[in-house]
Amino acid sequence: EVQLLESGGGLVQPGGSLRLSCATSGFTFTNYAMNWLRQAPGMGLEWVSTLSGSTATYADSVKGRFTVSRDNSKSTLYLQMNSLRVEDTAIYYCAKDIEWGQGTLVTVSS
Amino acid sequence: SYELTQPSSVSVSPGQTARITCSGDVLAKKYGRWFQQKPGQAPVVVIYRDSERPSGIPERFSGSRSGTTVTLTITGAQVEDEADYYCSTAADNGRVFGGGTKLSVL
Repeated sequence: EVQLLESGGGLVQPGGSLRLSCATSGFTFTNYAMNWLRQAPGMGLEWVSTLSGSTATYADSVKGRFTVSRDNSKSTLYLQMNSLRVEDTAIYYCAKDIEWGQGTLVTVSS
Repeated sequence: SYELTQPSSVSVSPGQTARITCSGDVLAKKYGRWFQQKPGQAPVVVIYRDSERPSGIPERFSGSRSGTTVTLTITGAQVEDEADYYCSTAADNGRVFGGGTKLSVL
């Protein structure tokens, strides 16, 4: 059974940084592209980033501020978020193809 | 363009058939996917590759395509199907989502 467990969310001030983690199990991690998506409170779904092999792509809204990476030895995906803005407040989900985790809440507020 | 258009709301009575459409030029070359999201829960894929149903998803959920429009059909909708539904497809850079449809079953 595929399992995706996000962690690392919390309250951070504007301009601050946070690193999210997504621990995975139940599949061969190295064989799959992995994704981060988010959902602001009361809003729809938004793609954030994809890491396929060593190729990372980002939504324009986070480009230059967020960095996605993976540790294949730990089957874990990361999202380093810098220069956070109020509008980055959202639940962040990790996803492998059609499977999604339960998400972790990031709140950016002073 | 990379926009997907869905109706904001659909309402049916229990046992009726609910249909939610999703249109966009980007669908011309890409498969459509449908997510169900209930309040306070993570999204769940109910249809992928236009019409494929993941294991564990009830048979009353089906998907179809006509040109650049994909449709989610719930045949014999149940009260527990009341949720927000989002369509999605792959874009040249990532994924794009529709704005979501609130399905009411009452």
